[in-house]
Amino acid sequence: QKEVEQDPGPLSVPEGAIVSLNCTYSNSAFQYFMWYRQYSRKGPELLMYTYSSGNKEDGRFTAQVDKSSKYISLFIRDSQPSDSATYLCAMSVESSASKIIFGSGTRLSIRP
Amino acid sequence: DADVTQTPRNRITKTGKRIMLECSQTKGHDRMYWYRQDPGLGLRLIYYSFDVKDINKGEISDGYSVSRQAQAKFSLSLESAIPNQTALYFCATTSGNEQFFGPGTRLTVL
Repeated sequence: QKEVEQDPGPLSVPEGAIVSLNCTYSNSAFQYFMWYRQYSRKGPELLMYTYSSGNKEDGRFTAQVDKSSKYISLFIRDSQPSDSATYLCAMSVESSASKIIFGSGTRLSIRP
Repeated sequence: DADVTQTPRNRITKTGKRIMLECSQTKGHDRMYWYRQDPGLGLRLIYYSFDVKDINKGEISDGYSVSRQAQAKFSLSLESAIPNQTALYFCATTSGNEQFFGPGTRLTVL
């Protein structure tokens, strides 16, 4: 079993829809949770960073962590075609971790 | 200019050839990483380095070697390339938990 599981998609939604992206994990020691966005032919870039359980909002993006269920989510409101990308969840045990474990990524397409 | 650069961006080679992928960074970070990305498998760590004198194996280091020539430079070598090393390779640096990735090198081994 992988430490981090993520549905690969692809996920296609119309412009303006609310998007929900999810990951589950097995290691209860994970404390730091991240979402990276990767555009085609580019390297991943950090989108959201959260510590422990709860919600964090940044503009149209909300990251949610439920440690009791070992489940994290990224919500995108008012989705735009420019949000079309692959989204990777990532997590680590320590704040300055030598290793960050990445999910396999979900490919998202927003239809105009 | 990009903070993390990788050369070459694309490379096609044959089985058995030695290949070197290079990474340079201008962010001044001590920690540097090499990952490979395969469809359905996500990013997997090959090697990482905390400073010039510190090199550590990741989860998939077999068949690869690295060299940290300076704080800003971290090279990945495939001593004898094989077809299942065909993948997208990323170099990254780290500040805290944020990783800054280069643009990637697409390597094809025939």
